[in-house]
Amino acid sequence: AAGVIQSPRHLIKEKRETATLKCYPIPRHDTVYWYQQGPGQDPQFLISFYEKMQSDKGSIPDRFSAQQFSDYHSELNMSSLELGDSALYFCASSSRDSSGGELFFGEGSRLTVL
Amino acid sequence: AQSVTQLDSHVSVSEGTPVLLRCNYSSSYSPSLFWYVQHPNKGLQLLLKYTSAATLVKGINGFEAEFKKSETSFHLTKPSAHMSDAAEYFCVVSDPVSGTYKYIFGTGTRLKVLA
Repeated sequence: AAGVIQSPRHLIKEKRETATLKCYPIPRHDTVYWYQQGPGQDPQFLISFYEKMQSDKGSIPDRFSAQQFSDYHSELNMSSLELGDSALYFCASSSRDSSGGELFFGEGSRLTVL
Repeated sequence: AQSVTQLDSHVSVSEGTPVLLRCNYSSSYSPSLFWYVQHPNKGLQLLLKYTSAATLVKGINGFEAEFKKSETSFHLTKPSAHMSDAAEYFCVVSDPVSGTYKYIFGTGTRLKVLA
């Protein structure tokens, strides 16, 4: 079965550079979530989209932005990168119509800022 | 607002012995509850979910959890631990927000399995 696809899996950037992470949800899933997980931390919710509109916002820095496109894939754009942005970034998708409402996670994109 | 508390940050068990990972929640609604497992440098995998059907939920890899409304608990158990169970476990509650869902994570329990 198709899963959530994230790219790139690994990314190394310098401070003050920009980075873009991509997420391709499971087909027919209408909601995408972005999480940031620092070393030894639980996942922190950044932002979510439902039917291409932002549905909820968490602890996303102003330097970050995200959007969901017409094909339902989503991109997380990060600018003026800081050392503290080094983390594992997860995308998850779900379907509002599914009885369980569970999240399906991608394998994550590991960002290292030097 | 909903919240989740995982009572133990670390749990160590010997291989072949029972596993108990504790989770308490607070909710204003009839909650949906989930347990996810995360192996090192991997994504989160759903173990099991409770969505107001049977209170005893069976999941993958021999795990199960019981929803106890009176105790606001959703503890994860397994009769016999295997070395491959060593991982981080997250208890999650979902909260309806504007027609979709917000997922609140516990802080995680790291399970160590001793040979």
